[in-house]
Amino acid sequence: SQQGEEDPQALSIQEGENATMNCSYKTSINNLQWYRQNSGRGLVHLILIRSNEREKHSGRLRVTLDTSKKSSSLLITASRAADTASYFCATGTQGGSEKLVFGKGMKLTVNP
Amino acid sequence: NAGVMQNPRHLVRRRGQEARLRCSPMKGHSHVYWYRQLPEEGLKFMVYLQKENIIDESGMPKERFSAEFPKEGPSILRIQQVVRGDSAAYFCASSPQDSVRRYFGPGTRLLVL
Repeated sequence: SQQGEEDPQALSIQEGENATMNCSYKTSINNLQWYRQNSGRGLVHLILIRSNEREKHSGRLRVTLDTSKKSSSLLITASRAADTASYFCATGTQGGSEKLVFGKGMKLTVNP
Repeated sequence: NAGVMQNPRHLVRRRGQEARLRCSPMKGHSHVYWYRQLPEEGLKFMVYLQKENIIDESGMPKERFSAEFPKEGPSILRIQQVVRGDSAAYFCASSPQDSVRRYFGPGTRLLVL
């Protein structure tokens, strides 16, 4: 299975601190995406990084990808209470990304 | 531009009944995906459809589950003879052609009594 696994499974920080989440996967991928899910809601796409990219930024988000280690990290800088949510990585396979495979997710709590 | 719509948002069924979940993709999106999420779990892929075609149903249970995306109207996920283990949140996502990004609906929470 190429299912991504997020690490840690839960993280609690104070507002203003940075939060780092890691994702590991098992097989070759075409792209890796990060999604956020607020409690009781659907998933919201945050950022996508392709297999030929190493780092991307979007606002307070920074994602890295190391294909040699089959891992990715998502950094949220200057966290806010509104960042409290579950975060999922999802991998798309080479030759077709129709079947995005999601990890189990990581629960981030940002305390005000 | 309205997002992905799902209804109902909550559905309660007794064992043995049928559940019908509807999904209207975003305007202009021709690809629909269904996922199931159990409590405290990630999303499990079920099926990928385009208009009038099932492209990949490798995540669908072999029995009782079916999906369609007709030429007109929403995509339907149908679960026949529901059992308690079917209780979960079912999410629909859509995407335009040649896009790897998914746009998710709010989900339907199915509870089987």
